[in-house]
Amino acid sequence: GESVGLHLPTLSVQEGDNSIINCAYSNSASDYFIWYKQESGKGPQFIIDIRSNMDKRQGQRVTVLLNKTVKHLSLQIAATQPGDSAVYFCAETGAGNNRKLIWGLGTSLAVNP
Amino acid sequence: DGGITQSPKYLFRKEGQNVTLSCEQNLNHDAMYWYRQDPGQGLRLIYYSQIVNDFQKGDIAEGYSVSREKKESFPLTVTSAQKNPTAFYLCASSSIDEQFFGPGTRLTVL
Repeated sequence: GESVGLHLPTLSVQEGDNSIINCAYSNSASDYFIWYKQESGKGPQFIIDIRSNMDKRQGQRVTVLLNKTVKHLSLQIAATQPGDSAVYFCAETGAGNNRKLIWGLGTSLAVNP
Repeated sequence: DGGITQSPKYLFRKEGQNVTLSCEQNLNHDAMYWYRQDPGQGLRLIYYSQIVNDFQKGDIAEGYSVSREKKESFPLTVTSAQKNPTAFYLCASSSIDEQFFGPGTRLTVL
């Protein structure tokens, strides 16, 4: 049957500060990781991804760090803006699960002006 | 424009009725997915299809059914057996790993 999930953790930052959103993943065999941003009432949008042969990848104002030793993934947003307010999800996948994405719980980011 | 469309955006249903949510993609993706999202929570996989005429149950398939007769289309039927169907439903497609999402359908049971 269905289970009631936990409510999302919230991170609150000041506009202009850097944000760090963390994610612990479950499967040591996962080889691809991805971050999505979901604004209220909309579908998730791709932000950045990283494969397991890398430790760090940078995009525009965003950086993803991967620590395979402790199975930890983080998303850093530089100079956070009000438009960054959203829920951020990490997801992992690998050959062992038919390449389905395994989704994290999500973190709600609130940017204070 | 390439992308995924879902219709309708808002859907109301009476208890005991089946309802079908539409999902269409023109990205030429082989794989398609249906997720359910409840307020303040994450995504839960209902069904997925990795190729035409084939689909598998996800984590919460009970009370739902799907078909995949065409590569472009993956409709989801919410049946009367689904005891708590009010939720936000998201469809996605992928070619390799990254999933592209539609705008979602918000289903409310009256």
